[in-house]
Order: sequence, then C-alpha cells, then structure tokens
Amino acid sequence: DQQVKQNSPSLSVQEGRISILNCDYTNSMFDYFLWYKKYPAEGPTFLISISSIKDKNEDGRFTVFLNKSAKHLSLHIVPSQPGDSAVYFCAASEMGSNYKLTFGKGTLLTVNP
Amino acid sequence: NAGVMQNPRHLVRRRGQEARLRCSPMKGHSHVYWYRQLPEEGLKFMVYLQKENIIDESGMPKERFSAEFPKEGPSILRIQQVVRGDSAAYFCASSPGQGARNTEAFFGQGTRLTVV
Repeated sequence: DQQVKQNSPSLSVQEGRISILNCDYTNSMFDYFLWYKKYPAEGPTFLISISSIKDKNEDGRFTVFLNKSAKHLSLHIVPSQPGDSAVYFCAASEMGSNYKLTFGKGTLLTVNP
Repeated sequence: NAGVMQNPRHLVRRRGQEARLRCSPMKGHSHVYWYRQLPEEGLKFMVYLQKENIIDESGMPKERFSAEFPKEGPSILRIQQVVRGDSAAYFCASSPGQGARNTEAFFGQGTRLTVV
C-alpha cells in the first residue's frame, strides 16, 4: 500500500524552463511534507518542506504547493538548471511520529542545456 | 564538520552470511534513523534509535534484522543469514534532538549491500 505516490518516473526539461514534479498521498494523517534531492551514489539531501497549515512555501528557485483537499503537492523549480538533474523524492510524516518519513518512489529530473 | 558517515559504502555477502552496517551520526546528533531502499523503490523507514535505546523499530523485519546505538561508537544495523532479497541501499540519518522535524535530519551516503 503506497501512501506517497510519484506517478512520473522521469521528467525532462530545457534549461531555463520550469520543472514541475508532482506527488499524491493517501494518508489523511500526514501533516508535514518534504522534498529531497538525490544524486547517484549519495544520500538524499533536504530541499524544501511545507506544513499542512500552509498551501505554499518558497525558497529561492524552489516552491512547493500543497492542495490538501486533493491530497496533492508539487515542486516547482524556476528556472531549471543542469545541476538540478537528480532524483527527487517526495516524503511525508504524521503528527506524533514526525521522525518517520514515508517516501515516494522518486522522479528522475533531467535538465538539458 | 563531518556529515553522517556510513561504512562500508559497498558490501558483498554470500547468502547465509552476516552483514554489519555502521553509521556515525553528525557531531552533536544523538538520534539515528535507518532506511532501506530496494531497487526501483523509495526509501522505507526501518528503525529509530537514541543512545542505548530503540525508540521505534516498526519498519524492521522481525527476523534476522537488529539495530543498536551504543553509548560509545557508531550505530550498527545487523542482518543475519542474508538472502538475495536483502540486496538494497541502506541509508542512515541523524538529527540533533527529540522532536526535531525531519528537516533537521541529515542522511549519509548509504551502504549498498549485494547478496550473491
């Protein structure tokens, strides 16, 4: 039973354009959502997060949007750069066990020069 | 300021052998988490430990797997009598204190276990 779903295994965009990565979840108890970036042979690196009391959080080129009614979040990267090419994981945690992350399968983003 | 250190980076074991994976948390971090990533999957939570205590092992298989975080030394994830299905990347993360949101958890580079 996959509680966090990233339905696009891969995404390819041109440098300078917007990258939009999507994530859906099924567990109504999730109250905190995170995006991680992972390069090959490295561990995940935290990118940006959002609490369920918000619908948007922005940090430089990265913005995360949360639609609680649709149980959907998305990560926007503008403008995309070749160095953004990596696997992006969506993750979520529940109140009361905020140390335990549930991850999606990831989306491989390729930004072409 | 060294990050989370995991060793070995790569480990090959024959079926039936034991695998020991080590994780040294970041300096000042007393909370350790282990995750497993099977091929083509996301990371899955296994266990959460504080010094000398297992806080939550709900994600760890009941048999053959054990974890510890002793007062001195690294955290150890031990897999006894490994099988091919144990082949995966095992990631350790650490955070500074209780109740820290996961934004404060830093991941190591992982140990890639291959069972032949």
